[in-house]
Amino acid sequence: EIVLTQSPGTLSLSPGERATLSCRASQSVSSSYLAWYQQKPGQAPRLLIYGASSRATGIPDRFSGSGSGTDFTLTISRLEPEDFAVYYCQQYGSPPLTFGGGTKVEIK
Amino acid sequence: EVQLVESGGGLVQPGGSLRLSCAASGFTFSTYWMTWVRQAPGKGLEWVANIKQDGSEKFYVDSVKGRFTISRDNAKNSLYLQMNSLRAEDTAVYYCARAVSGSTVSPLSYWGQGTLVTVSS
Repeated sequence: EIVLTQSPGTLSLSPGERATLSCRASQSVSSSYLAWYQQKPGQAPRLLIYGASSRATGIPDRFSGSGSGTDFTLTISRLEPEDFAVYYCQQYGSPPLTFGGGTKVEIK
Repeated sequence: EVQLVESGGGLVQPGGSLRLSCAASGFTFSTYWMTWVRQAPGKGLEWVANIKQDGSEKFYVDSVKGRFTISRDNAKNSLYLQMNSLRAEDTAVYYCARAVSGSTVSPLSYWGQGTLVTVSS
């Protein structure tokens, strides 16, 4: 099983600032099958990024993903009020298709 | 419009059973892998199980192997999760989710609203 560790646990930032979220895998994620999701309270998760760096349909370009192997990053270039949420990474290359523990981006 | 609607959640005693259903519409159900993901109260997401288009391949997280069974009925556009020998740690919101594409490897692009399962005496 591939274990995904996200850091930091909580990120306190102001609107307009840049957010950098990390996801580290216990072993290499095959073919960069790494996705990022956003979840707001009381809502289902929403797919943001897949294939480590491809934006899902309708996702603003302030969201970007990078990385390969065991180290991946989600960057939000300028935080908008609606971006304050919890973010999860997921590897979908080999079952079980594990999620990271999440990073909460909160308003400072 | 893609819609996934879960049902069947509720309160059950430890050791009991429950069957969750997910009604799918707005897409050709039989051409997509389908997945169950759960989220314990105040906790993160946990992938539970997934099933191939024709039901011939199924995968489970270790913690539910031998207790949960994922299945589907393509004629009814429905996904199921039979949960037996339930434990307190199975308490969670259970989401039904659809892959982005029909490929074996695909992230989850559509999610239902979830159904709450509470295991307690």
